[in-house]
Amino acid sequence: AQSVTQPDIHITVSEGASLELRCNYSYGATPYLFWYVQSPGQGLQLLLKYFSGDTLVQGIKGFEAEFKRSQSSFNLRKPSVHWSDAAEYFCAVGRYNTDKLIFGTGTRLQVFP
Amino acid sequence: DGGITQSPKYLFRKEGQNVTLSCEQNLNHDAMYWYRQDPGQGLRLIYYSQIVNDFQKGDIAEGYSVSREKKESFPLTVTSAQKNPTAFYLCASTGTNGGEQFFGPGTRLTVL
Repeated sequence: AQSVTQPDIHITVSEGASLELRCNYSYGATPYLFWYVQSPGQGLQLLLKYFSGDTLVQGIKGFEAEFKRSQSSFNLRKPSVHWSDAAEYFCAVGRYNTDKLIFGTGTRLQVFP
Repeated sequence: DGGITQSPKYLFRKEGQNVTLSCEQNLNHDAMYWYRQDPGQGLRLIYYSQIVNDFQKGDIAEGYSVSREKKESFPLTVTSAQKNPTAFYLCASTGTNGGEQFFGPGTRLTVL
């Protein structure tokens, strides 16, 4: 069965610092991988996705993620965090393009000046 | 603008009552989903539908029901059988060529 693990429940960084949010998945074949962001009381917004091809994918708001098959990971990165990046981030995996998604439990990012 | 709408934004229910949450999309997507979100638990799938007049149970379907009579609409009914319904409910949809799910703004249900 598929599963997604986000080992960090809460991360705090200074504005301007770099960021890496971890995501590990369990699935036999190449999965469809996603990162979403959620502001309090809002729906989820897609940051980026990976289906195939180049393992480093660029997303919105200056985020990028790298698919590493050998480590079953899809970590999200940003070189310089802005205060507006404070939110909750979810990693998700699916088997094909209309499959139901399995979500991780999320990482809450706090940014202080 | 295309998108997904959910209504109401806030909903209060007395114990023993059924309530229906609305989800409408004008994205021409075939597949639609309902998730429940609780603090610290991420999103859990309640029901999903990949085509009109067909739907499947997700991981936590007990106490919930859905219908999919139109492509644009996928209402969720929270029945009195759902023992702990207080949560944030999210509806999503996806098309066949993109893969990613688009989410509505959510409905927060509180049982009084």
